[in-house]
Amino acid sequence: GAVVSQHPSRVICKSGTSVKIECRSLDFQATTMFWYRQFPKQSLMLMATSNEGSKATYEQGVEKDKFLINHASLTLSTLTVTSAHPEDSSFYICSATRASEQFFGPGTRLTVL
Amino acid sequence: AQRVTQPEKLLSVFKGAPVELKCNYSYSGSPELFWYVQYSRQRLQLLLRHISRESIKGFTADLNKGETSFHLKKPFAQEEDSAMYYCAPAMNRDDKIIFGKGTRLHILP
Repeated sequence: GAVVSQHPSRVICKSGTSVKIECRSLDFQATTMFWYRQFPKQSLMLMATSNEGSKATYEQGVEKDKFLINHASLTLSTLTVTSAHPEDSSFYICSATRASEQFFGPGTRLTVL
Repeated sequence: AQRVTQPEKLLSVFKGAPVELKCNYSYSGSPELFWYVQYSRQRLQLLLRHISRESIKGFTADLNKGETSFHLKKPFAQEEDSAMYYCAPAMNRDDKIIFGKGTRLHILP
């Protein structure tokens, strides 16, 4: 149990376009999900906390208009990178919480050309 | 400010030797402490949490509130222990985790 999936696993897009990444908890309901960003050979940086039915809470320095988060159901949170630029290229990872334990998705590799 | 420090970026240990991955934290309140592990080409997964006091894959970690440390230890390293290890404190109230920079453990044959 406690599987978290992400879709897509990889995406390549042109500069200026928007990209949506989905995070799903497959066999449990998660009122809270988290979005992280990981640069090569670096640790995970928390971007935001996604709360079902309410606005996301963003960490300091993360632009909420740039990284739109929607948590419309207890099993799905989406991260939309709007007007993507090459500096947004990164590995994006989500996690979902169950009984105070976080379960991580496999990550999405975003490359912006 | 909340901060977690893993002083070693890379730790190389011979197979069969003891392992200790250091972690120090600076947190207001009483955080819950976790160690997460990421094996090559796999997703991040929980290794152990201090509140459960379990030993997972031979690893243990003792919370020392006086020294604000949560070092990860294993008496005899195995080759399959090679991975990236992250110390991660979390506040109980919101489950938000702040990851350390991680230590890459490389077990030498």
